[in-house]
Amino acid sequence: EDQVTQSPEALRLQEGESSSLNCSYTVSGLRGLFWYRQDPGKGPEFLFTLYSAGEEKEKERLKATLTKKESFLHITAPKPEDSATYLCAVQAGNYQLIWGAGTKLIIKP
Amino acid sequence: NAGVTQTPKFQVLKTGQSMTLQCAQDMNHNSMYWYRQDPGMGLRLIYYSASEGTTDKGEVPNGYNVSRLNKREFSLRLESAAPSQTSVYFCASRLLAGMSDTQYFGPGTRLTVL
Repeated sequence: EDQVTQSPEALRLQEGESSSLNCSYTVSGLRGLFWYRQDPGKGPEFLFTLYSAGEEKEKERLKATLTKKESFLHITAPKPEDSATYLCAVQAGNYQLIWGAGTKLIIKP
Repeated sequence: NAGVTQTPKFQVLKTGQSMTLQCAQDMNHNSMYWYRQDPGMGLRLIYYSASEGTTDKGEVPNGYNVSRLNKREFSLRLESAAPSQTSVYFCASRLLAGMSDTQYFGPGTRLTVL
């Protein structure tokens, strides 16, 4: 069964304290792995798509990486405005995405 | 450019009542989706429409129906609401162009069924 698991469920960091969020997946025939950001009371907002193991993408303080079993979202020197829930999803060959439950990130000033 | 819009933003229903959630996108995307989001769970696909005139069931279609009215609009109908349908509902449209594959989400409808 295709599955996506994100860890930790919640992460509290001090401003400037770098860390990583994990997204592990089991899927037959990965066609893409997606990262989204969701602010409270809003819809998810697209961050990255990764297609193959070894691929990396960066945007400001965020860097996403992909292996054959998992993806990491690295956050370098985070700021309070980076606080949000980060969602991971995988696509396995049809139009449907399989979503993880998300990691709630809180950055304290 | 409004992106994806959803109405209403909030709704309270009694068990057995019906309602339609409206969604529209102005980005000329072919594919549109309806998801529900519940605490502690990932987004779950209810129905999707790969193109105008087609609709397909997702992971949790029971109790729902959809209509792809035209390329812009994709509505979700609850015929007889149940407390288990209390959730936040998101509509999304998809841009698939070359190596770019992105879903754009609306702001959501928060539904409570009493």
